[in-house]
Amino acid sequence: QKEVEQDPGPLSVPEGAIVSLNCTYSNSAFQYFMWYRQYSRKGPELLMYTYSSGNKEDGRFTAQVDKSSKYISLFIRDSQPSDSATYLCAMNTGFQKLVFGTGTRLLVSP
Amino acid sequence: ETGVTQTPRHLVMGMTNKKSLKCEQHLGHNAMYWYKQSAKKPLELMFVYNFKEQTENNSVPSRFSPECPNSSHLFLHLHTLQPEDSALYLCASSQELTSVETQYFGPGTRLLVL
Repeated sequence: QKEVEQDPGPLSVPEGAIVSLNCTYSNSAFQYFMWYRQYSRKGPELLMYTYSSGNKEDGRFTAQVDKSSKYISLFIRDSQPSDSATYLCAMNTGFQKLVFGTGTRLLVSP
Repeated sequence: ETGVTQTPRHLVMGMTNKKSLKCEQHLGHNAMYWYKQSAKKPLELMFVYNFKEQTENNSVPSRFSPECPNSSHLFLHLHTLQPEDSALYLCASSQELTSVETQYFGPGTRLLVL
């Protein structure tokens, strides 16, 4: 079993839709959870960073962590074509290397 | 230049060639990383350097040889690679080694081994 599972997609949605991206994980010691966005031909850039359980909002983006279910989500409201990218979840215990998901490719059509 | 830069952006090499990838960070960070990104696979951490000292080698084959002459520069020397080594090689840096610190990534070098 992989430590982090993430559906590779692609996920295709129309502009303005609410997007839900998800990851599940197996290591209950994970405490820090990140979402990275990677545009084509670019390196990943940190989008959201959450510690432990709960929600965090930043503009159109909301990160949600449910440690009891070992499940994290990234919601994008009012999605735009410029949101088309690959979204990578990443997590760690705080003392070890980051463990990444495979990434979900998102396509937002005008 | 700002952030993390990588050169070259694209590289095609034969299995007998020797080449080097270069990474430079302009952020004043102390830790630098090499990752390999292959299609439909998670990012694979290859090497970690902290204050120029290698702190992690994630069971990487010896045909990949890293070098960190100072905290701002990181190289990945390549020799006798295999076609399965074709991938996007990403460099990243962070302020400190503790991995809760945000890692900033470069744009990557797209490598094709023929």
